[in-house]
Formats: sequence, C-alpha cells, structure tokens
Amino acid sequence: TQLLEQSPQFLSIQEGENLTVYCNSSSVFSSLQWYRQEPGEGPVLLVTVVTGGEVKKLKRLTFQFGDARKDSSLHITAAQPGDTGLYLCAQRRPGYSGGGADGLTFGKGTHLIIQP
Amino acid sequence: GAGVSQSPRYKVAKRGQDVALRCDPISGHVSLFWYQQALGQGPEFLTYFQNEAQLDKSGLPSDRFFAERPEGSVSTLKIQRTQQEDSAVYLCASRQSPLAGGRNEQFFGPGTRLTVL
Repeated sequence: TQLLEQSPQFLSIQEGENLTVYCNSSSVFSSLQWYRQEPGEGPVLLVTVVTGGEVKKLKRLTFQFGDARKDSSLHITAAQPGDTGLYLCAQRRPGYSGGGADGLTFGKGTHLIIQP
Repeated sequence: GAGVSQSPRYKVAKRGQDVALRCDPISGHVSLFWYQQALGQGPEFLTYFQNEAQLDKSGLPSDRFFAERPEGSVSTLKIQRTQQEDSAVYLCASRQSPLAGGRNEQFFGPGTRLTVL
C-alpha cells in the first residue's frame, strides 16, 4: 500500500499570509487529488492532478504535481479565515478485478487555521 | 436531494450494542463507498459497491462490520457488538459511474459520528 505523507500536520497563520502544504509518497502517483474538509462535513474535491510538472490554479490556491509524480504541493496566497479546514491529499486504491478506480487512499491531512 | 445524505448524524452506543448507519447516495450513482475517519486522521477505505454488488470489502476491520446495498441505491453499514475503538466518523461517498475517467470524483456525505461508551 502506498503511503501518503502530509506536512505540516498543523498550521496556524494570520489572515493575509501565504502558506504551502505538502503531500509526498515513496512511490509514483498515477494521479493525485486534493480535498478540503470542514468540521462536521465530508471532504470536497478541490483538484485532480495527473501529469508530472502540472500546475493548476483555483482562485488563490495553486496546486503543483512534482515532475517525478511522487510529490505535490498546495500553495495558498493571502489566506482567508474561510480557508480554514483539513486539507487532504488522496490517490486511487489499486483497481479491483472488475476494473475502474475503487476507492481512495488518503493522507492524514494538514489542519489549517487562519486567524482573523 | 442534491447531495449524499447520511443518518443519523450522531450516534452514541454503549459497548456491545449493534448500530446501523444509513447512506442515501446521489440518485443514479452506481458506485458507493464507505470510509472510517478517526479523530484527527484522514478517511480510511472500508468497502465499495457497484450497484448492489459488494466488490471490495477488504477495508472492513473485523467481521463485526457488515455493509449492504440490496437494491443498488441506499446502503447500510452495520456494526455488531460495538467496541470503543469503533468510535469514529463514518463517511459515505458516491460516484456516478464505475469508470469515471481522470477526475474519479466521489461526492461525500457529512458522515455519522459514532461514539461508543
């Protein structure tokens, strides 16, 4: 089973600051997803990255997939209190005999708090 | 409804009791997944259905855990003789089709928080 290591585990910063969180693996990712989870809710998909070196932007969030597809980062510019949440990276579990992608393996997440 | 719903949202059980957790997926979604999320951790895969067929139950932690989806829509996760280590949030997710291309987007419900005393 491929383990996903996320860092830092906890991060608390002031509104307006920039931050970067990381997701790393000892093996190559086929693709990688980033989710945000707010308290009392399920994870919500932010982005899927597939190609090594790929960069995707979602408003103030910038997602990067490493060239070797073994790492990914999420950078937030000018963080807002609404960015507070648990940021999770995930990848597909190995496909079952029936084919297709069957469930996700998640990292432990980065708990992000943006203080006003 | 528009999204995945789960009930109850909160459940307190005494050790040894049986519990049943319900998931209503998005209408028409073929694939359904259950995950267990311990406090402060990421979700961990439990089991997967394609329509009514349970294709993978390798993540179920013990034989006290049982899931079903008899008509290919609503699913129930049952835990027998609950133990304190079963305390967690149980998340359900659904996906439109078995083969969802590059996005592989699963839509998650809000979860059921189970506390075993």
